[in-house]
This record gives sequence, structure tokens and C-alpha cells, in this order.
Amino acid sequence: DTGVSQDPRHKITKRGQNVTFRCDPISEHNRLYWYRQTLGQGPEFLTYFQNEAQLEKSRLLSDRFSAERPKGSFSTLEIQRTEQGDSAMYLCASSWGSLNTGELFFGEGSRLTVL
Amino acid sequence: GQQLNQSPQSMFIQEGEDVSMNCTSSSIFNTWLWYKQDPGEGPVLLIALYKAGELTSNGRLTAQFGITRKDSFLNISASIPSDVGIYFCAGLNNFGNEKLTFGTGTRLTIIP
Repeated sequence: DTGVSQDPRHKITKRGQNVTFRCDPISEHNRLYWYRQTLGQGPEFLTYFQNEAQLEKSRLLSDRFSAERPKGSFSTLEIQRTEQGDSAMYLCASSWGSLNTGELFFGEGSRLTVL
Repeated sequence: GQQLNQSPQSMFIQEGEDVSMNCTSSSIFNTWLWYKQDPGEGPVLLIALYKAGELTSNGRLTAQFGITRKDSFLNISASIPSDVGIYFCAGLNNFGNEKLTFGTGTRLTIIP
């Protein structure tokens, strides 16, 4: 296991369609995070899990967004009824323990384009 | 969402020059982090700072955690072509809060 992996790397969809992204964290990491990054901006926090529990959600995560980490390993981020404003890079990251002492490792991201 | 203020937004330098960039916030952070992002990739951690006033080096990179806890600085000495990319600061403001707040980024370009 060489790092955080995300799939797909690129997704082009039509407005109104549903999309799902998958993230496989570094295997021994218990915390998993989702961030969104739009062009020219820094990443913005969406949500994070400790094991299978979703502990915090940003107000950016509207009711069309849902994230799961059912077995405390991989995670999925689903966007229903996509809108053009959802076009962004969705970054997954993982860590062992608190970010105050541990390092956050990012994946390469899943780029979403909504037409 | 909130983003930290980074300056400059972009830099055009010649190979071998030193680089300085900074990051400011209106609120206090307990941890400051500096990341580098290459096109089409996720951010990679360069330096982590955990204590006000701390000065930490990683090779040619040096970062400082401001005394006020509201700012941080990153210096790169003797820049090389692989330093090209976007540099982001990020802050963590409370123990138990696992939400990183990122800066707006500084894009570094090296002129041949």
C-alpha cells in the first residue's frame, strides 16, 4: 500500500446525474477525510470519519451529498442530482490519530466536471 | 468556506533565488502546516509547526509559526525547477477539531 488511492480520477457527467467516488486510505489509518477544491482555491473541508463513524460534516455538504465508510476502511462520496457548481476536485485524505500530532496524507483526487 | 490569506498569490523567480511567502489569519491556530501541490495531484505535506514561535527546517525549506498564532511564513532557499507548484498553508485551530483550514495558495513559477 503506497498511499491513498481514489477512483475514478476523472468523471464527466450531465447535470442531474448521480456520481460516486471511492477512496481507499492508507491501510493502518483510522481517520479518513473528504475535501473539495475548486480551481484557484485551496481545499475546503467536507467531512471526516474515525473508523466507520462520521464525526463532522461541513455546511458545504448539502443534502445531495452523502459519504459513507461502512467497514472503517474504504469510503464513498455520492453526489445526487449533480449541478454545475459541483464541478471540482474531490480530495480524500487519511491519517493515524489526531491532526495535531499526525500527518494528513492526500490522494490524487477525483476531478468532477458537470456539463 | 473560510480560507486563510496567502501572499503573494504568484511568484516568478529565477532558478537559484530565495523565496518567501506568508499566510495570515484573523483567528488563532494551534497548528500550522505547509503543503505543496503539483498539477493534477493532491497536496503533499512539507513542514508541520506545533508551537508558537517555532522555526522548523526541511532541507531548503524553513517555516515559522508566528508568535501571535495568527500567521506563518515559508522560505525556500536556492530554488530549483522542481520547486514549481502551488504552496498552501493550512491551520488547525482547536484540539479535537480535525478540520484543516487552507490558504488561497501561492503559485511559484521558475523562469528559465
